[in-house]
Amino acid sequence: EAAVTQSPRNKVAVTGGKVTLSCNQTNNHNNMYWYRQDTGHGLRLIHYSYGAGSTEKGDIPDGYKASRPSQENFSLILELATPSQTSVYFCASGDAPGEGQDTQYFGPGTRLLVL
Amino acid sequence: SQLAEENLWALSVHEGESVTVNCSYKTSITALQWYRQKSGEGPAQLILIRSNEREKRNGRLRATLDTSSQSSSLSITATRCEDTAVYFCAVSGANTGKLTFGHGTILRVHP
Repeated sequence: EAAVTQSPRNKVAVTGGKVTLSCNQTNNHNNMYWYRQDTGHGLRLIHYSYGAGSTEKGDIPDGYKASRPSQENFSLILELATPSQTSVYFCASGDAPGEGQDTQYFGPGTRLLVL
Repeated sequence: SQLAEENLWALSVHEGESVTVNCSYKTSITALQWYRQKSGEGPAQLILIRSNEREKRNGRLRATLDTSSQSSSLSITATRCEDTAVYFCAVSGANTGKLTFGHGTILRVHP
């Protein structure tokens, strides 16, 4: 059974609208991550969390907020969506054994189109 | 510039052949990871190799790490069509768990 799930799997939004992408993990991992994937850029880190109640900015946080209300759930929020945020978004959880050796387990992705 | 980067955008081989994907990085690392992403799926880790290791194997996969030249390779022997995917290297610094991914190498294995 999939340990990291994302919803929705596909989303069409309008420019200026609010979008919330949800992620749930059953791995009981402390760390969770949000990435976006665009052709030619690989995976880029948007926000991450070390546990419930914590969020940290990643490498490209502008235009995004994150929320970690519980160990299992991590949301990515686009308050005012723009066409440049059209992308595929991946959530991951990590087991963080320390010293940067965090194996990450990814969800199936959410394809977002902002018109 | 990328902290980690694969040396090729794409590779194509026939089933049964061996193939190597190379990666270079630009930071002091505690570990380097190789991930594979099949079409329509999220990435999945293949191998984690720590900075004090020179080689790691996982079935038909073999990863090497050379910290002096800041480079790594992932070799796949006896390739299969199901090995068709994008292969990423990713590096992490100490204490953060944050990974920086390369742009990926597309590998196509033809029958």
